[in-house]
Amino acid sequence: DTEVTQTPKHLVMGMTNKKSLKCEQHMGHRAMYWYKQKAKKPPELMFVYSYEKLSINESVPSRFSPECPNSSLLNLHLHALQPEDSALYLCASSHQQGPYNEQFFGPGTRLTVL
Amino acid sequence: QKEVEQNSGPLSVPEGAIASLNCTYSDRGSQSFFWYRQYSGKSPELIMSIYSNGDKEDGRFTAQLNKASQYVSLLIRDSQPSDSATYLCAVPPNQAGTALIFGKGTTLSVSS
Repeated sequence: DTEVTQTPKHLVMGMTNKKSLKCEQHMGHRAMYWYKQKAKKPPELMFVYSYEKLSINESVPSRFSPECPNSSLLNLHLHALQPEDSALYLCASSHQQGPYNEQFFGPGTRLTVL
Repeated sequence: QKEVEQNSGPLSVPEGAIASLNCTYSDRGSQSFFWYRQYSGKSPELIMSIYSNGDKEDGRFTAQLNKASQYVSLLIRDSQPSDSATYLCAVPPNQAGTALIFGKGTTLSVSS
C-alpha cells in the first residue's frame, strides 16, 4: 500500500482566514514533505519532517506553519495568505530521508485564496 | 545551482510508437533518479526509479541511466492514449540530498 491521503481536496479561503491542510500515511514512513505546485510548473519543496522533527524549511513565509503531531500525520496551518499562494499543495512521504528513498505523493489540496 | 533539464515538449507520438523522454542533470554527485507521471489536475505518480548505470525495465517502461554523461531517459513502448501526461524527471542533488529537484516536465501526447 503506497497511499498518502490529503484533506480537504479543495479549499477556498479569504486572506484573513485560518485554515489547515491535513496529510496522513500508514506505510510506516518516517519522512514527510510538503510541496507547492503552481500551474504548469514542477513541485517546489516547502518543508521536510524526519522522525517528526522539522528537518528542512525552504525559506517559506511564516504564514505557512507546518506541524507533525505523530509519525503518520502532517499538517500545514495557513494564516493571512495572499492570492499568489493559490496552488496545489502536495504532501509526500518516504521510508526515510535520503536520496535512495522513493517519495510517494498524496492527491493534493487545491487551494484558492481570494 | 543544481539543475535538472527536460525538453518541455509537447512530444507527440502515434499510438503504438515508442516515446523517448530525456533528462540531464548538473550534479555529478547525484545517485538516484526518479520519473513521475502527472496527469492534468492530478498529483505526481512515481513510475520508475533507477540508481545504477544501464537499463531498468518495468512493463512498457524502460529507464536508462548514463552517469558519465549525466543523462537519464524514459522509454515508453507501445504508447497508449492513456500515457498522455506530463513526465517529470526528479533528482536528489547529492548523496545527502533529500529534496527532489524536478525538471520542468515533458508533456507527452499520444494520438489514436
